[in-house]
Parts: sequence; C-alpha cells; structure tokens
Amino acid sequence: EPEVTQTPSHQVTQMGQEVILRCVPISNHLYFYWYRQILGQKVEFLVSFYNNEISEKSEIFDDQFSVERPDGSNFTLKIRSTKLEDSAMYFCASRGGTGATDTQYFGPGTRLTVL
Amino acid sequence: LAKTTQPISMDSYEGQEVNITCSHNNIATNDYITWYQQFPSQGPRFIIQGYKTKVTNEVASLFIPADRKSSTLSLPRVSLSDTAVYYCLVERAGNMLTFGGGTRLMVKP
Repeated sequence: EPEVTQTPSHQVTQMGQEVILRCVPISNHLYFYWYRQILGQKVEFLVSFYNNEISEKSEIFDDQFSVERPDGSNFTLKIRSTKLEDSAMYFCASRGGTGATDTQYFGPGTRLTVL
Repeated sequence: LAKTTQPISMDSYEGQEVNITCSHNNIATNDYITWYQQFPSQGPRFIIQGYKTKVTNEVASLFIPADRKSSTLSLPRVSLSDTAVYYCLVERAGNMLTFGGGTRLMVKP
C-alpha cells in the first residue's frame, strides 16, 4: 500500500537554527499538507499546498515557516529560526484530489526538539 | 465547519465491541464524517468515512442517522492493539482537517 514517508524521524536543534523537514507524499497525489502536534495537544493544521503554491495557511504558519516542492517527489517544511515552542511532532499529509471522499493520508511524523 | 463532540476517554476489554459516538449538530449538506485513529508518536490513520446510513470496512463500521447530527464508530471485538486515540472529523471536500481532542480508548486484558 502506498504511504507517505518523512525524514528525519527525530531532529534535535538549537534555538535560532534553521531546520528542514522532508516528506515524500504518495506518488499520484496532488494536494499536500503540514500539521503539527505539540506533546499532549491536538493535531493542528499549518499549511496546504497545491499546484506549487500555498492554498491555505493557519495563524501558526508565520514568516518563520515556508514550504517547497523542490522536485517531483519531495515536499519540505522549513523553519528559519526555531523557537522552543516549535518543539512538536510534524506530520505531512497528502491527498489525491478534492473530492469529498479523497482522504488525507498522513506520514509517520518528525519529532522536532528545540533546545 | 461543524464542531464535533466526543467522549474524552473510554475503557473496554479485549473481545468486546466498542461504540464511540460523536455529535456534530451543525453539519452541512456537503460535509462528510471521517474517523481517524492515532497511536502515540504516530501520524493519524484513516479508519472510515461516511455520509449517511451505514458504512462498513474491514476494521470498523460507521452508523449515521438520517439527520446526520451524530455518528457512531463501531469497533468489533477490540484487542489490546486497538488502544489509541480516535478522532471524529467533519470534513469538507478539499479543506484541511480540523482535529478535536479525540476519544482515548483503553483496551484492557
């Protein structure tokens, strides 16, 4: 069964450093998402991406965040200058279309720890 | 999107059927009901989706009454490995997903 993959599984960084989280969505999917989950809290939407541009973003997704699809397979989330409160699990998701029954499939996540 | 309300937690025993009910009073005509499962430190996993009446797949059934203001996820004969958080979401085609707190299901031996 096709699946979304994410690397690395765990990233430790110092406050103020830049991090790039990588995702490989399911190959024929067109819509891509990033979510995050702070330990013990809800899964929160960050951004959606389609046709090489952001289609929607939340208040969390400020100027420190950016997304890119640098080639035909990878989808990345960059945090320019990490803060302690960016520590969370980051999940990538993809879906094939926007039909009502086109489900989002999530990756296993990257645990980001900011020290 | 319609707000969902579901129990914070539930306990069950191995082999029992578990029913988790979710209310979504303000569901709109073009909204679908989707349930996800999440294990600790893993991404949410799609379980089942429905619009109305009953949907069944290899892992669960979803019951949706005619007014669609609630839905019930039914897990037949749960095992210890079904211990997880279960999320009920009202999903509009193409939109991002809005997760609530979910229901923490604990299956005991």
